[in-house]
Amino acid sequence: QLQLQESGPGLVKPSETLSLTCTVSGGSISSTSYYWGWIRQPPGKGLEWIGIIFYSGSTFYNPSLKSRVTISVDTSKEQFSLKLSSVTAADTAVYYCVRQGYSYGYIDYWGQGTLVTVSS
Amino acid sequence: DIQMTQSPSTLSASVGDRVTITCRASQSINTWLAWYQQKPGKAPNLLIYKASSLESGVPSRFGGSGSGTEFTLTISSLHPDDFATYYCQQYYSYPYTFGQGTELKIK
Repeated sequence: QLQLQESGPGLVKPSETLSLTCTVSGGSISSTSYYWGWIRQPPGKGLEWIGIIFYSGSTFYNPSLKSRVTISVDTSKEQFSLKLSSVTAADTAVYYCVRQGYSYGYIDYWGQGTLVTVSS
Repeated sequence: DIQMTQSPSTLSASVGDRVTITCRASQSINTWLAWYQQKPGKAPNLLIYKASSLESGVPSRFGGSGSGTEFTLTISSLHPDDFATYYCQQYYSYPYTFGQGTELKIK
């Protein structure tokens, strides 16, 4: 059974960089059938698609965040990562790592999510 | 970006009721639409993909329909476990976008 697990600091200071890692188990991140990505959800609000990465390193980002987002992959560790720079309180959210189909765009696996609070 | 609008935002219903949630897209998305269920403190869970295909393991009381710009999620007979928030998502074009959610509450 595929599992995705987010890890990283739960508190980030304003203007700093948020960094999260997702570890994939029970499946291969190098599969040609899937993208790996990040979704976020501010407390009490809806879902926002951040971006995705293929095992080869090709990426798609949400234009609303593109100038601040970097998603990378480390196939040797079965991990992919999110970096979001110059954070503000508006970036406070639960961040989910997800699997999205390559030939289909829906998300079929989600991590449990991790709350990241931006505060000094 | 394609805007997704769900209605209603909140819905109160009773166990055994039939309920319908609507999702409208700001432009045609063919049938590239998914529905997710989210319970408090949990990640969303896929229910329906390609507008009307039921994900494996999802009870048959859940059904989806629609194409183009208008879609519906129907629960034929509410179970206690169904009270949650439901989101639609378009995957026709990047950035993929979600509806604002419909909270299904116990009446």
